[in-house]
Amino acid sequence: KQEVTQIPAALSVPEGENLVLNCSFTDSAIYNLQWFRQDPGKGLTSLLLIQSSQREQTSGRLNASLDKSSGRSTLYIAASQPGDSATYLCAVRPYAGNNRKLIWGLGTSLAVNP
Amino acid sequence: SQTIHQWPATLVQPVGSPLSLECTVEGTSNPNLYWYRQAAGRGLQLLFYSIGIDQISSEVPQNLSASRPQDRQFILSSKKLLLSDSGFYLCAWTGQVFNGELFFGEGSRLTVL
Repeated sequence: KQEVTQIPAALSVPEGENLVLNCSFTDSAIYNLQWFRQDPGKGLTSLLLIQSSQREQTSGRLNASLDKSSGRSTLYIAASQPGDSATYLCAVRPYAGNNRKLIWGLGTSLAVNP
Repeated sequence: SQTIHQWPATLVQPVGSPLSLECTVEGTSNPNLYWYRQAAGRGLQLLFYSIGIDQISSEVPQNLSASRPQDRQFILSSKKLLLSDSGFYLCAWTGQVFNGELFFGEGSRLTVL
């Protein structure tokens, strides 16, 4: 059974730091992995989608990597800003079972302090 | 460009009352549509998904139902709300390719009193 874990649950950093958020999954048989951002009381915003054949994706200051063999993805945020404060969630789309049902982590709550 | 809207944004309803949350996607056709519920500390739970008009699958048996009367419209309903139905409801869509990028609406906060 696929499980997704995000550690740490919360992170507080000073502005300007480069930081890495982690996402681990137990079954490497996935179609893709997607990173989202959620501001308090808001919907989820898609950040990056990595297909299983890809190693990484980049968008602005964000870079997401995927290592299926080790069951890990990382989201790298360069030069963090207070506006990056939010909860970051990852989700995998599995091959097995109902592949329309993403498997979600519980998220990492990020606070970037000015 | 594609957009997704849900309404109402906030809803306070008494126990036993009906519910209707609506979601509309614009700028695409034949989307796959989803209803999720998000509860604090429990992550996102898929409630329903739809691959086409009148083609709806339920993931969790519960007090809710979904309908898709038009290609880009998805409705979440209940005939009689329970306290446990309180939560943050999110509509989402992917393109015709089911393993494409998932996009979410703004969410609807439901409080059942």
